[in-house]
Amino acid sequence: KNEVEQSPQNLTAQEGEFITINCSYSVGISALHWLQQHPGGGIVSLFMLSSGKKKHGRLIATINIQEKHSSLHITASHPRDSAVYVCAVRAGFGNEKLTFGTGTRLTIIP
Amino acid sequence: DTAVSQTPKYLVTQMGNDKSIKCEQNLGHDTMYWYKQDSKKFLKIMFSYNNKELIINETVPNRFSPKSPDKAHLNLHINSLELGDSAVYFCASSQVRKTYEQYFGPGTRLTVT
Repeated sequence: KNEVEQSPQNLTAQEGEFITINCSYSVGISALHWLQQHPGGGIVSLFMLSSGKKKHGRLIATINIQEKHSSLHITASHPRDSAVYVCAVRAGFGNEKLTFGTGTRLTIIP
Repeated sequence: DTAVSQTPKYLVTQMGNDKSIKCEQNLGHDTMYWYKQDSKKFLKIMFSYNNKELIINETVPNRFSPKSPDKAHLNLHINSLELGDSAVYFCASSQVRKTYEQYFGPGTRLTVT
């Protein structure tokens, strides 16, 4: 069993729908990262959070440290949001190693 | 302005050869990383250097040797390439104890035939 689990593995939705991607982890962490990998392969860091909630444009990330769970939400989804979304956890301060989830492939249909 | 750059972008080579992938960051970060993304698209850390010092060395064959000539560069040398080394290799950098956010290079797709 991976230390970091994501669900769903694949998600197809219509343009405009509200999207939720979940990430659960089984280890103690200092921070959780959400990354986006474009179809062309490039990786972009979306959020890094250790508590609460962060918002950037149509993207919202939340984390519940007690429940060891994080969610990434996309409001008013658009075909350009189609990508693989990966969560990754960082173990502790001074330990920079990221452990990655297996990713969620999101496809938004026009 | 490219923040984290890698060369080459594509590398096709035969089994048994030795090859290098170069990475440079112009963000002034003190920590750099090498990740491997396998055919299942799963990312895994290989190495990390902080101020030219190796701080993370995962279970990677000795054929892989990172070299950091300075804080802005982290190169990956691979000896005696094997078919299983075919993957996309990503370099990344971060400024630890400040932002920790990692910035990724575009990736190098290595194909061993």
